[in-house]
Amino acid sequence: ELQLVESGGGLVQPGGSLRLSCVASGFTFSGYHMNWVRQAPGKGLEWISYVGSGNNMWYADSVKGRFTISRDNAKNSVFLQMNSLRAEDTAVYYCAKDEDWAFDSWGQGTLVTVSS
Amino acid sequence: QSALTQPPSVSGSPGQSVTISCTGTSSDVGIYNRVSWYQQPPGTAPKLIIYEVSKRPSGVPDRFSGSKSGNTASLTISGLQAEDDSDYYCSSFTSSTTWVFGGGTKLTVL
Repeated sequence: ELQLVESGGGLVQPGGSLRLSCVASGFTFSGYHMNWVRQAPGKGLEWISYVGSGNNMWYADSVKGRFTISRDNAKNSVFLQMNSLRAEDTAVYYCAKDEDWAFDSWGQGTLVTVSS
Repeated sequence: QSALTQPPSVSGSPGQSVTISCTGTSSDVGIYNRVSWYQQPPGTAPKLIIYEVSKRPSGVPDRFSGSKSGNTASLTISGLQAEDDSDYYCSSFTSSTTWVFGGGTKLTVL
């Protein structure tokens, strides 16, 4: 069974850093593109980053220069390093598998709260 | 990149059909057939229900259908059921190599 499990969320002060992890199972991880999508409390979905199977990376303007996506195929994992965090980064962060330009599988999400 | 435009809410009675629109631009919805739709019940992760404008993943009922005309995509749910009561989001790949979501539509089954 395909599964994506995020971890690493928590409470962090403005300006701080946090590293999210997503461990995949049930499919050949190295062959698929992966993304991070977030959802602020009571708000809609926002795509924030992509890492392709070939390790190319794309970012939304809202996080470019502050967040870095990476993957470790040996560990079936994708990561999101988040620096210079702001209050508006508070959200549930989902990792999502990408196929046919759509997000076909999602994790359960991990909550990041940026507050002093 | 501005969000795609969806109506905040729609409603319908069991058995009826509803259509949710998703309006973008010539840089996203209008240029690619890379539009997808997601269903998100409260407190859960989104679930893909339509990809590449009109294709259904395995297990998604054929009551769900998608289409596109110009810069506007649409999701139609026919034969409404109580379990369809949920939030729905559209998404499109863009010419800037990003994805953009709509603001979401709350479907209420009366």
